[in-house]
Amino acid sequence: AQSVTQLGSHVSVSEGALVLLRCNYSSSVPPYLFWYVQYPNQGLQLLLKYTSAATLVKGINGFEAEFKKSETSFHLTKPSAHMSDAAEYFCAVSLGEGAQKLVFGQGTRLTINP
Amino acid sequence: NAGVTQTPKFRVLKTGQSMTLLCAQDMNHEYMYWYRQDPGMGLRLIHYSVGEGTTAKGEVPDGYNVSRLKKQNFLLGLESAAPSQTSVYFCASSPLRAAGNSETQYFGPGTRLLVL
Repeated sequence: AQSVTQLGSHVSVSEGALVLLRCNYSSSVPPYLFWYVQYPNQGLQLLLKYTSAATLVKGINGFEAEFKKSETSFHLTKPSAHMSDAAEYFCAVSLGEGAQKLVFGQGTRLTINP
Repeated sequence: NAGVTQTPKFRVLKTGQSMTLLCAQDMNHEYMYWYRQDPGMGLRLIHYSVGEGTTAKGEVPDGYNVSRLKKQNFLLGLESAAPSQTSVYFCASSPLRAAGNSETQYFGPGTRLLVL
């Protein structure tokens, strides 16, 4: 069975600092991996996704993530945090079969300090 | 395009009452999903549909029923609401998956449900 673990339910960084949100997955077969962002009182929006084309994936708003099979990780990074990045971030995994059911991590709330 | 819309945005129910949440999408997507979001637990799949007239159970289906009579609509029903069903409910849709790929799911804004 697939599962996703996000390390750290809350992460706080200063504006301009590096953002690193951690995600580890377990899957018996090569998975598809996603990062979604949820701004307050809104639905989820796709940041980026890994579908085996390239291990370093670039997304919207300056975010990127690297798929590391040996570490079963898909950590999300952004070189310089902006106040508008404050949100909750979810990592998700799918086997891509049939209806592509997503299994989500617990979420990480990112706070940006001025 | 409105994308994925959900009705209502917020609802308060008493234990034992019933209600239906409506999800509509105008992107002609084949797949639709209902999730619930609870603090510290991420999103969990309740039910999903791979096409008009079809539904299937997800991870946490108990206490919920669904119907997909029209391709653009996916209804989530609570026959007898319980306090444990207090949650935020999200609907999502996605197109048919291309071979060797995984399609993005598009989410609605959510319905906040409080069961007293």
